[in-house]
Amino acid sequence: GAGVSQSPSNKVTEKGKDVELRCDPISGHTALYWYRQSLGQGLEFLIYFQGNSAPDKSGLPSDRFSAERTGGSVSTLTIQRTQQEDSAVYLCASGGAAGETQYFGPGTRLLVL
Amino acid sequence: AQSVTQPDIHITVSEGASLELRCNYSYGATPYLFWYVQSPGQGLQLLLKYFSGDTLVQGIKGFEAEFKRSQSSFNLRKPSVHWSDAAEYFCAVVIGTASKLTFGTGTRLQVTL
Repeated sequence: GAGVSQSPSNKVTEKGKDVELRCDPISGHTALYWYRQSLGQGLEFLIYFQGNSAPDKSGLPSDRFSAERTGGSVSTLTIQRTQQEDSAVYLCASGGAAGETQYFGPGTRLLVL
Repeated sequence: AQSVTQPDIHITVSEGASLELRCNYSYGATPYLFWYVQSPGQGLQLLLKYFSGDTLVQGIKGFEAEFKRSQSSFNLRKPSVHWSDAAEYFCAVVIGTASKLTFGTGTRLQVTL
């Protein structure tokens, strides 16, 4: 079946604007993850959803970042009042039970001017 | 501190030569271990994984990796590199009940013809 998809593939925004990034996981996958990849910080975990459990938000860098997952499927990562240091590639992954393989989408490249 | 280390930032090999990319982790328990590859502008693709059992695991594209508990290592190998293997390679772990991937800093592989 189809893999993980993300939209948009590229996003350019101005400092202070809000952005929404979308992730469509592989059908049937109960786990969904967001990661950020930046030059200075490498690959960092942001947030993890598993089924109906409360999400693990331990990786979110500030309260400007939030994410939701509707109906156990599609997820949206929202960054409010974007800053230049938010410029990065945001990667979404989905998988099965905890610890199992995560399958990554192509990412959204965010540039904050 | 708990971490994943990829000591080689950049490696250059000739096409047809053998390859070994190093990965070490520092955790008390044996984690789940993964190698991912990322081509320019692409998401992460899983090469192989180790959960338990046979310590030599085979992956896609002719790659293999060996888990050595005594050395806390999970090195990636390929007997004969192809030009298309040029990419960035990430070692990653999942620890215990935590589901997030913790990544090494990556090794960029360049292949000369």
